[in-house]
Amino acid sequence: GAVVSQHPSRVICKSGTSVKIECRSLDFQATTMFWYRQFPKQSLMLMATSNEGSKATYEQGVEKDKFLINHASLTLSTLTVTSAHPEDSSFYICSARRGTGWEKLFFGSGTQLSVL
Amino acid sequence: AQRVTQPEKLLSVFKGAPVELKCNYSYSGSPELFWYVQYSRQRLQLLLRHISRESIKGFTADLNKGETSFHLKKPFAQEEDSAMYYCALRSSGSARQLTFGSGTQLTVLP
Repeated sequence: GAVVSQHPSRVICKSGTSVKIECRSLDFQATTMFWYRQFPKQSLMLMATSNEGSKATYEQGVEKDKFLINHASLTLSTLTVTSAHPEDSSFYICSARRGTGWEKLFFGSGTQLSVL
Repeated sequence: AQRVTQPEKLLSVFKGAPVELKCNYSYSGSPELFWYVQYSRQRLQLLLRHISRESIKGFTADLNKGETSFHLKKPFAQEEDSAMYYCALRSSGSARQLTFGSGTQLTVLP
């Protein structure tokens, strides 16, 4: 099956620093990738939709300048948490869609971000 | 706005017993419903979707528009079914919107 690689799986950083998370589709091209955030024992919340070659579409309440998304190629999208603060600590998950069908949505393994 | 509710955070059944994971949704249009599963230390993956009307790993789910439900069922649970299950809804009006429920942790006891 299709594979989506997300890196790193865990990152600990100091408050005020920036952290970049990568999401790669290893064996298919993904024109659309999605970034989610998940708090403990809660649902996945869509943060933004990343489209290759264009600006990401952010969900209401998600700060664009805080969570920078770059989808520079058909196989890579990055999420940069800028000037991270402890409240940004969370589990971040990406997914990539192969084609247009929603059954072809594949998830990364997630990144646990801890901001000290 | 659409909403997906999974009322049970935790569900435990014995091996061989029937299992039903509940999912209710709120959406005024024509929804597309999915069940995703996440096994321990693995990534989220699609289990089934209502359009395909298929049985995957013995699981089935029927969309009941009258009750706005999409419960996941299996007649005889197996230990390897232990996992986190998420119900998700895609609205017809917005191609990018996939809304997840909060998930149900299923534990199948030996």
